[in-house]
Amino acid sequence: AQSVTQLDSQVPVFEEAPVELRCNYSSSVSVYLFWYVQYPNQGLQLLLKYLSGSTLVKGINGFEAEFNKSQTSFHLRKPSVHISDTAEYFCAVSDSGGYNKLIFGAGTRLAVHP
Amino acid sequence: DTAVSQTPKYLVTQMGNDKSIKCEQNLGHDTMYWYKQDSKKFLKIMFSYNNKELIINETVPNRFSPKSPDKAHLNLHINSLELGDSAVYFCASSQNTGSSQPQHFGDGTRLSIL
Repeated sequence: AQSVTQLDSQVPVFEEAPVELRCNYSSSVSVYLFWYVQYPNQGLQLLLKYLSGSTLVKGINGFEAEFNKSQTSFHLRKPSVHISDTAEYFCAVSDSGGYNKLIFGAGTRLAVHP
Repeated sequence: DTAVSQTPKYLVTQMGNDKSIKCEQNLGHDTMYWYKQDSKKFLKIMFSYNNKELIINETVPNRFSPKSPDKAHLNLHINSLELGDSAVYFCASSQNTGSSQPQHFGDGTRLSIL
């Protein structure tokens, strides 16, 4: 069975500062990895995904993530955040042989302050 | 031209009642899902349908019954509502059941049980 751990429940940061949101996963099979963002009172929106190939993946809104197989991590980064990045961020995995069943982490609340 | 739309957006009702939530997607996707997000923002899959057939059925009380009249619609009926059913319910869809396929989410239905 897969599981996802998001190490920080909340991350406060000042505007224009860099940020890293941490995600670790465990699985006995190959997985695909995703980051989703949820703005207040909205559904989830895909930020980026790792399927195979280059371990550094770029997504929307200037976010990127790096897949590290040896550390079973998929941390999300942005070099300079904006107030509008304030939201809940979810890391998720699906195993390569399943029915696209997403297992989510508990989420990280990113709060960007002026 | 909302991709995944859910109705109603808010649902307030009393314990013991029966209610339904409707979901429609206009993306031409084959696969649809229901997720439950609890008060701590934790997201868990409940059901998945592919071309009107049930393919994922997590450990959910049998008071919850999904129905898919066609591949563009997936409704959720809940009998004898309990306080613990209070949550936000999200509908999602993907191109097919492939685990690399990103899921597209609706804006959620916030269910409150009095």
